Amino acid sequence: AQSVAQPEDQVNVAEGNPLTVKCTYSVSGNPYLFWYVQYPNRGLQFLLKYITGDNLVKGSYGFEAEFNKSQTSFHLKKPSALVSDSALYFCAVRAAGSGGYQKVTFGTGTKLQVIP
Amino acid sequence: GAVVSQHPSRVICKSGTSVKIECRSLDFQATTMFWYRQFPKQSLMLMATSNEGSKATYEQGVEKDKFLINHASLTLSTLTVTSAHPEDSSFYICGGRGYEKLFFGSGTQLSVL
Repeated sequence: AQSVAQPEDQVNVAEGNPLTVKCTYSVSGNPYLFWYVQYPNRGLQFLLKYITGDNLVKGSYGFEAEFNKSQTSFHLKKPSALVSDSALYFCAVRAAGSGGYQKVTFGTGTKLQVIP
Repeated sequence: GAVVSQHPSRVICKSGTSVKIECRSLDFQATTMFWYRQFPKQSLMLMATSNEGSKATYEQGVEKDKFLINHASLTLSTLTVTSAHPEDSSFYICGGRGYEKLFFGSGTQLSVL
């Protein structure tokens, strides 16, 4: 069974400092990996994805994530945090392939708090 | 851009009644729709996967007779919570697959009194 682990319930970072939100995964075969963000009282928004190709993926709002196959990780990063980045972040994985039954599994979420 | 419209955004109902939640994919065809339930600890739990024109695939522990999913067209999927009870109170989110990623609805907060 595939799974996603986000080991930190909350990450606090000072504004302007770099941030990292951790994610590790387990899946059969090659993974498709995703990061989503949820702002208060709003739905989930797509940030970035890794399907194939470069291990460093760049996404929305200056976020990036690095796929590390040997460590089965897909940590989310940003060089300089903004207060407006404060939100709930979800990592997700599914097995590669175009089959309609490839389900997406989410981590438990990490609350990012950027301190002014 | 691709959008999933989910409504209602909030519903309060009495115990024993049924509630229907709709998700429509706008500007794209969602051949696969995922229904999630978000618990107070903020985790997202997959309830079921539905493909247009076929029966939904439910995750272990999810009662298919209680959570009825219909995916009658490429742009519409519905989740009906039948005979709702207070323990069904939660935040329900749908996600439609398109362009190798999921587009989510804005969620439905269900409160069962």
